[in-house]
Amino acid sequence: DIQMTQSPSSLSASVGDRVTITCQASQDISNYLNWYQQKPGKAPKFLIYDASNLETGVPSRFSGSGSGTDFTFTISSLQPEDIATYYCQQYDNLPLTFGGGTKVEIK
Amino acid sequence: EVQLVESGGGLVQPGGSLRVSCVASGFTFSSYWMSWVRQAPGKGLEWVANIKQDGSEKYYVDSVKGRFTISRDNAKNSLYLQMNSLRAEDTAVYYCARGYRIGQHWGQGTLVTVSS
Repeated sequence: DIQMTQSPSSLSASVGDRVTITCQASQDISNYLNWYQQKPGKAPKFLIYDASNLETGVPSRFSGSGSGTDFTFTISSLQPEDIATYYCQQYDNLPLTFGGGTKVEIK
Repeated sequence: EVQLVESGGGLVQPGGSLRVSCVASGFTFSSYWMSWVRQAPGKGLEWVANIKQDGSEKYYVDSVKGRFTISRDNAKNSLYLQMNSLRAEDTAVYYCARGYRIGQHWGQGTLVTVSS
């Protein structure tokens, strides 16, 4: 199984800050990576596919990059509504696997 | 508008069985792989199983193999997860999601609690 290691597990930042989350795959997954945002009590919201493609309607302050084993998710200017937990997910191989999540809080 | 609505969750004793369902609307259900993903209370997301458009291929995470069965009824636009020999560690919100690689469309989830 492909292990997805996300870091940090939590972070605290100020409104307007640039926030970066990393996701490392245990083997090469090319660019077969999704990113999601999840707020408490809600289903995950799809943000990015193929590592760097923004889903329609997602604000441009969100971005993703990377390929192979190392990936980055960035919020260019943190907004209060971005408080959530973020997950990466690989779809190169079954079983599909998710990172452990990064909880983003406002400082 | 794509909608996925799960139902059938509840409290079940260890060793018991439960079937959760997902009714789809707003798209051609028979054209898509479908998946189940679960989330234990306060924990992360875990893919559970998926099923091909015609039901001819099914895949499972190791922890549920032999206990859970995914199925679908394309005439009823419905996806199912039959869960047998349930364990405390199966306690989770179960989401259905559209697609092999998952992505945009998820249901709201149904809570399954395994406890005596």
